[in-house]
Amino acid sequence: DQQVKQNSPSLSVQEGRISILNCDYTNSMFDYFLWYKKYPAEGPTFLISISSIKDKNEDGRFTVFLNKSAKHLSLHIVPSQPGDSAVYFCAASKGLSGNQFYFGTGTSLTVIP
Amino acid sequence: EAGVVQSPRYKIIEKKQPVAFWCNPISGHNTLYWYRQNLGQGPELLIRYENEEAVDDSQLPKDRFSAERLKGVDSTLKIQPAELGDSAVYLCASSEYGSASYEQYFGPGTRLTVT
Repeated sequence: DQQVKQNSPSLSVQEGRISILNCDYTNSMFDYFLWYKKYPAEGPTFLISISSIKDKNEDGRFTVFLNKSAKHLSLHIVPSQPGDSAVYFCAASKGLSGNQFYFGTGTSLTVIP
Repeated sequence: EAGVVQSPRYKIIEKKQPVAFWCNPISGHNTLYWYRQNLGQGPELLIRYENEEAVDDSQLPKDRFSAERLKGVDSTLKIQPAELGDSAVYLCASSEYGSASYEQYFGPGTRLTVT
């Protein structure tokens, strides 16, 4: 049973515009969320995280929003750059003690120059 | 700082053969994870180590998969015998227990093809 879902397998955005990647989860016990970016033939790299005590976390061009009541989070990239083209995974866990992270299936972002 | 190192990067074997993957985590990281990523899917945890102790192996198919982390540093994941359905990318990750974000650092993975 997929506890973390990314329903859009792909997304194309023009350079300079906003990219919005979405993620839904089913387990209300999840309280820590991360986004990873993955280039071909490389492992995922950490991008940004958010705890359930917050509803927004910002790091440069990247902002993650969390809507706990809807069990939904989103990653905003503004402005989008061609180098952002990659597969983005969201992940969720229960607690911060190194517990298991459940990953979504990923969204492939293409930023068109 | 060196990242997580995995070898080999690619492996092709026939079904029923054994195979082993090796992982060297980031120095000082006491938590080590093995994930399996099937095509079009996200990584799925197989086993998690805290130092040399396997603290979560509930998703590891123990009839054919085994893992070890001697001395709490390097780790080896073994499949014996391999089946066609084991074709996937096997990812190793490490993290520093007690860090603020529990960010996991991934290696490049080993792509296994079972024919």
